[in-house]
This record gives sequence, structure tokens and C-alpha cells, in this order.
Amino acid sequence: QVQLIQSGAEVKKPGASVKISCKASGYTFSNYVIHWVRQAPGHRPEWMGWIDAGNGNAEYSQKFKGRVIITKDTSANTVYMEVNSLTSEDTAVYYCARVTRTISGWYLKYWGQGTLVTVSS
Amino acid sequence: DIQLTQSPSFLSASVGDRVTITCRASQDVSSYLSWFQQKPGQAPNLLVYGASTLQSGVPSRFSGRGSGTEFTLTISSLQPEDFATYYCLQLNTYPLTFGQGTRLEIK
Repeated sequence: QVQLIQSGAEVKKPGASVKISCKASGYTFSNYVIHWVRQAPGHRPEWMGWIDAGNGNAEYSQKFKGRVIITKDTSANTVYMEVNSLTSEDTAVYYCARVTRTISGWYLKYWGQGTLVTVSS
Repeated sequence: DIQLTQSPSFLSASVGDRVTITCRASQDVSSYLSWFQQKPGQAPNLLVYGASTLQSGVPSRFSGRGSGTEFTLTISSLQPEDFATYYCLQLNTYPLTFGQGTRLEIK
């Protein structure tokens, strides 16, 4: 069965960086796109970007361009997201989610369990 | 960016009630709209995709309708496990955007 297992919770100081992993199993890693979504406490989810696990192409929300980097390691079936220059507003649960395509479109069915990132001095 | 506005933001209902949540998009998103259920401490759980296709394993009391800019999620007979927060998500245009959520609580 498809599983996305994310790395554990992180506590960071303002100005630091964090790198979260999302390890995929149960399917052919390079055939699918992975998206990243975050959710601050009490807020709606917020889309951050995606990576094509096949060719490594990545696209980002304009809000995060230049501060977020999404990468992959095919040998490890793992996608990474690094967020730089952290502030308290980056305190959130970060999720990875895999694309599923159909004839009529696409959707995000499979989600990681989430990684809580807390930014505090 | 496409704005998604859900109504109501908060809903108090009883077991057995029929409830409908509306999601309105600021631009046409065709049928590229999904509905999720989220419980505290959990990842969003996909209920409906393509505006009206029920995800496998989701109870048939859930249904989705709509296209373009107006969408609904209906729960025909609320069960205790349905009390949660519900979000719509548009996948038509980047950046993907979510509605602000509808919190469904037990009356």
C-alpha cells in the first residue's frame, strides 16, 4: 500500500533552516509528483510547491520562491523540503502528498502523517 | 490567486441530520475541486475528488456536486465520526488554494 512517512518534529530558532523528509513506499517512486502543504495552528492548509519525482522538476508558490527548496533522492525513494530563514510564522505542520491522476483530472489522496516545525527563540 | 470561500464556517448539528457545506470559487475551477475531512492531529483525509467522485472507502452518505465556481458537500445522515473540520481544495490553477474550513460540531 502507498505510504508516505515523514521525518520527526523539529524545533528551530528564527533565522535557521529546516529540512523535512518524505519517504515513499508501495509504488514506483519516480512515476509520481509530490506536493508539499503546510498548516499553521488554527489555519487552513497552504500549498507550498511540488516536485516531479521522475525528472526532479520543481515549482513553488510565489510566496515561498527563493526560501523553499524541494529535492529528491531516487535511490532512497525520498523527497525533501528545505525551508530557510525561518520565522515564527513558519511554525506549522508540514505535509507531503502524492498526486493521483485519472482520465478526468488529478487529486491528492495519499498524505504523509505531517511534521511539526516549531520556530521559537 | 483563486479564493475559495466556504459557508458556513461553523455548523452545529445532531446525529442523523442532513448537512450541506458550500464552497465558492472566485474564478472558474471546472471540476478540479476536492473535499477533505480533517480531525485534530491528523492529516487531511480525501472524501471527494473531481467535484463529485467519492473516494473509494468513503461512506455513501457523503456526496459532492458542482462545477465552475459553486460546489457543495452533503452528508445525508450525520454519524458521530463525521464531526470534524472540512476543507475544499481547488486543483485547477496554481497556486493550489484551500477554503477556510467548516467546523462541524455536535449540537
